[in-house]
Amino acid sequence: KNEVEQSPQNLTAQEGEFITINCSYSVGISALHWLQQHPGGGIVSLFMLSSGKKKHGRLIATINIQEKHSSLHITASHPRDSAVYICAVVQGAQKLVFGQGTRLTINP
Amino acid sequence: DAGITQSPRHKVTETGTPVTLRCHQTENHRYMYWYRQDPGHGLRLIHYSYGVKDTDKGEVSDGYSVSRSKTEDFLLTLESATSSQTSVYFCAISEPANVGLDTQYFGPGTRLTVL
Repeated sequence: KNEVEQSPQNLTAQEGEFITINCSYSVGISALHWLQQHPGGGIVSLFMLSSGKKKHGRLIATINIQEKHSSLHITASHPRDSAVYICAVVQGAQKLVFGQGTRLTINP
Repeated sequence: DAGITQSPRHKVTETGTPVTLRCHQTENHRYMYWYRQDPGHGLRLIHYSYGVKDTDKGEVSDGYSVSRSKTEDFLLTLESATSSQTSVYFCAISEPANVGLDTQYFGPGTRLTVL
């Protein structure tokens, strides 16, 4: 069993829909990252959080440390949001352990 | 964008040959990382560095070595490449000493094919 599990693995939605991607982990962590990987391959960090909730534009990330669970939400989704979203947990000296990613496709 | 470059961006080589990938940063970040990304496995840590000449192994370090002789460069070497090392390699940097700035920034990736 992977230490970091994401669901769903693939998600297709229509433009404008509210999107939720989930991440569960089984190890102790100091923080959690949400990353976005574009179709061209580039990886961008969206959020790093250790408690509560963070918001940036249409993106919202939450974490529940007790339940070892985090969610990434996208409001008013747009085709340009199509990408792979990756959850990663921080263990020890800034070492990241990654989930396998969620491939999101937003259709116009 | 954080100043991280990787070279080469693409490489095709033959089994048994040595290969060195270079990661160069202009951000003066202390931590540097090498990851590989494979279908079905996601990103996995190969080696990381927490300062000049200070390195440590990640979860998939067998067959790889690294060196960091100056802050800005982190080299990943495959001493004798094997087909199982065909992958996309990403470098990343972070500076955890700065509160709120310990995000990891990723390079553009190097696609390596070992025939």
